[in-house]
Amino acid sequence: KNQVEQSPQSLIILEGKNCTLQCNYTVSPFSNLRWYKQDTGRGPVSLTIMTFSENTKSNGRYTATLDADTKQSSLHITASQLSDSASYICVVLGGSTLGRLYFGRGTQLTVWP
Amino acid sequence: EPEVTQTPSHQVTQMGQEVILRCVPISNHLYFYWYRQILGQKVEFLVSFYNNEISEKSEIFDDQFSVERPDGSNFTLKIRSTKLEDSAMYFCASTPGTGGSNYGYTFGSGTRLTVV
Repeated sequence: KNQVEQSPQSLIILEGKNCTLQCNYTVSPFSNLRWYKQDTGRGPVSLTIMTFSENTKSNGRYTATLDADTKQSSLHITASQLSDSASYICVVLGGSTLGRLYFGRGTQLTVWP
Repeated sequence: EPEVTQTPSHQVTQMGQEVILRCVPISNHLYFYWYRQILGQKVEFLVSFYNNEISEKSEIFDDQFSVERPDGSNFTLKIRSTKLEDSAMYFCASTPGTGGSNYGYTFGSGTRLTVV
């Protein structure tokens, strides 16, 4: 069954600290893996897109890693800011000809001052 | 930056009523999608649409659902006879090409549907 699992479910950190979010997936065939940020009541916004051959990709303070062999990904956030408080969702594209997005449940990150 | 626009932002309807959720995808995008998110749960795929026809649909997208691109700009999701379990946030998305080409999906802000 095509699934995406994330951990932790929620995380609280202090402003300025770093954190790492985890993602495991079983989607097959695999096209690419994306990390999205979703603010409450809003649509998901893309942070990174990683293909099978990419191990690391950065977007500002966000760095995503992908291990296609173990089907694991992580999202590292450095020097967190209050505005980073949101749900971070791991999304895998695959599983069909055109590809549908398979969403994880998300990690709810709260950054405290 | 181009946006996907969804209307209305909130919709409350009585069980059994028909609702139409509207979306204006990004103008040069070719692929359109509907996803939904029940409160506290994962975002789920409903349907993809290309070249004026459904490309793929999920198990959720039964005969109560239909999609249409009535003109060159709008993309609609119709639920014929709403049920309580249809209450969710519905997201429209569009891409210029297939996701397998690593195109970004642009999501709208969603329509929160509440069936009472």
